[in-house]
Amino acid sequence: GAVVSQHPSWVICKSGTSVKIECRSLDFQATTMFWYRQFPKQSLMLMATSNEGSKATYEQGVEKDKFLINHASLTLSTLTVTSAHPEDSSFYICSARETTGGNSPLHFGNGTRLTVT
Amino acid sequence: GDSVTQMEGPVTLSEEAFLTINCTYTATGYPSLFWYVQYPGEGLQLLLKATKADDKGSNKGFEATYRKETTSFHLEKGSVQVSDSAVYFCALTHNQGGKLIFGQGTELSVKP
Repeated sequence: GAVVSQHPSWVICKSGTSVKIECRSLDFQATTMFWYRQFPKQSLMLMATSNEGSKATYEQGVEKDKFLINHASLTLSTLTVTSAHPEDSSFYICSARETTGGNSPLHFGNGTRLTVT
Repeated sequence: GDSVTQMEGPVTLSEEAFLTINCTYTATGYPSLFWYVQYPGEGLQLLLKATKADDKGSNKGFEATYRKETTSFHLEKGSVQVSDSAVYFCALTHNQGGKLIFGQGTELSVKP
């Protein structure tokens, strides 16, 4: 089946530094990828929709200058948390759509646990 | 706007017990409905889906039926196992860019 690889699986960084998280579709092309954030024991909140070759679409309340998204190819999207602060500590999950259309299920990466000290 | 509401957890059951996790939704039109499962420390895995009214999704002994009249998509399993312990998310999507709207998740703990 379709596989989405997310890297790293966990990262610890110091406050003020930037962290990049990669999301790759390994055996299919994904024109659209989604980035979610999950707080402990809570649901997934969509942060942004990443479209290959164009600017990401951010959800209301998400700082685009803080969470930089780049979707440079059909198999790779990156999320960079800039000037990280402890409140950015969270579980970040990406997903990729295998085909166009709202009825196609999303394939999720295993997530990245970010801890900012 | 669209929304998904799940029964609150955690749900604790003994092995081989019957499971029901309620899910109701609010949406315009005819969304597709999904159940995802998240094991500890992992991302989400699609468990089952239904794309139109009265469809029944099933996988690994789990079932859910798309009920338009009650706007529900309850998850059921006749006999749970310890390995079913996880967080279960109900979700919906429209044909509008494919964004998934998730419920808050229900934690299931199955004891031997």
